[in-house]
Amino acid sequence: GAGVSQSPRYKVAKRGQDVALRCDPISGHVSLFWYQQALGQGPEFLTYFQNEAQLDKSGLPSDRFFAERPEGSVSTLKIQRTQQEDSAVYLCASSPRGRHQPQHFGDGTRLSIL
Amino acid sequence: DAKTTQPPSMDCAEGRAANLPCNHSTISGNEYVYWYRQIHSQGPQYIIHGLKNNETNEMASLIITEDRKSSTLILPHATLRDTAVYYCIVRVVDSPDSWGKLQFGAGTQVVVTP
Repeated sequence: GAGVSQSPRYKVAKRGQDVALRCDPISGHVSLFWYQQALGQGPEFLTYFQNEAQLDKSGLPSDRFFAERPEGSVSTLKIQRTQQEDSAVYLCASSPRGRHQPQHFGDGTRLSIL
Repeated sequence: DAKTTQPPSMDCAEGRAANLPCNHSTISGNEYVYWYRQIHSQGPQYIIHGLKNNETNEMASLIITEDRKSSTLILPHATLRDTAVYYCIVRVVDSPDSWGKLQFGAGTQVVVTP
């Protein structure tokens, strides 16, 4: 079946521009997570949705980062006024209902800020 | 602070078993051990998870010590396609509802050689 899909696969933006990254989770998955992965490091948690409710945004690095999932399916991560330190791979993961269900990841969006 | 400790790298011969160790001495009684791997330019891939009993699936086996302070992931017959970074993760429990965000460390870079 279809896995988690992220688009675009690559994004290049100039410093100061706004960007939007899209995540299509596996159909029926209740939970959706965003992670940020810097070069050579493991992914770091950004935010978590249960259906359309954003229940944890403790990992968002600044108020320039905003995520939404208005209908409980597709999610968008938006970064305003991008800075060079925002360059990273942004990963989305989804999982079905259940406390210990594993998360299934997309291949990420590689964001480069010039 | 990281909740797991893994060796930074390991080499393994193709066709042989690969045994990947992980220490998690501060694990709580209701925390699961998860293993993921990440092949270059792809998102993390779920491998297996367990609480206290040994687990096996089509990809690997997970052996957890009786005191649960360490575990070993076993790839029974390593292939070149198993070259990846392997992450051992203890599931973070933030609330009774268990949002379940994953806290990745640096992982173990496994290189399978012909």
